[in-house]
Amino acid sequence: DTEVTQTPKHLVMGMTNKKSLKCEQHMGHRAMYWYKQKAKKPPELMFVYSYEKLSINESVPSRFSPECPNSSLLNLHLHALQPEDSALYLCASSPQGRANTGELFFGEGSRLTVL
Amino acid sequence: QQQVKQSPQSLIVQKGGISIINCAYENTAFDYFPWYQQFPGKGPALLIAIRPDVSEKKEGRFTISFNKSAKQFSLHIMDSQPGDSATYFCAASRGDKIIFGKGTRLHILP
Repeated sequence: DTEVTQTPKHLVMGMTNKKSLKCEQHMGHRAMYWYKQKAKKPPELMFVYSYEKLSINESVPSRFSPECPNSSLLNLHLHALQPEDSALYLCASSPQGRANTGELFFGEGSRLTVL
Repeated sequence: QQQVKQSPQSLIVQKGGISIINCAYENTAFDYFPWYQQFPGKGPALLIAIRPDVSEKKEGRFTISFNKSAKQFSLHIMDSQPGDSATYFCAASRGDKIIFGKGTRLHILP
């Protein structure tokens, strides 16, 4: 079982809805990430929270907004999404923050469908 | 400069055979090279990783070979089993920057 917990596992939403994805880790890791993964593709980085600083992939549209309430929680707020945003959204954590070695611990993902 | 090229895209191996997946990178600043294994409906899981000062690392049936001068690294799965059927991603990283290869879908025939 993964030590990164994501909820919900599945989410179906309309284009006008507002919803949130949640992620929690209790490994004391200093960095947390949101990735988007389309079928048969590698994960694409969306956001990184490392030592309480947010880094954004500039290609991510503003209808996605991350929130980091504390060092073990990471949310992804969704608003006015498009059908092409349907994907598997993966949360990950890393033990070393800015000194990250690329060792990512992924959750099982939230499967999002936008109608 | 930032790409990690992975091949083959898909691979079919008989049970008990050796599975080999290759990756090549361009940026010599990368200092950590992990491999991730992903089963359908699951998130990727770290399988094995290597640093460029080591030419080979073995963990059980999984071995990474690293050629720093050629900027290439590969994953070898010995005695491949049906349970190894999954998608494998190589990656290269430095600091917070991680670049994934496009993935290899491995199928082990029973």
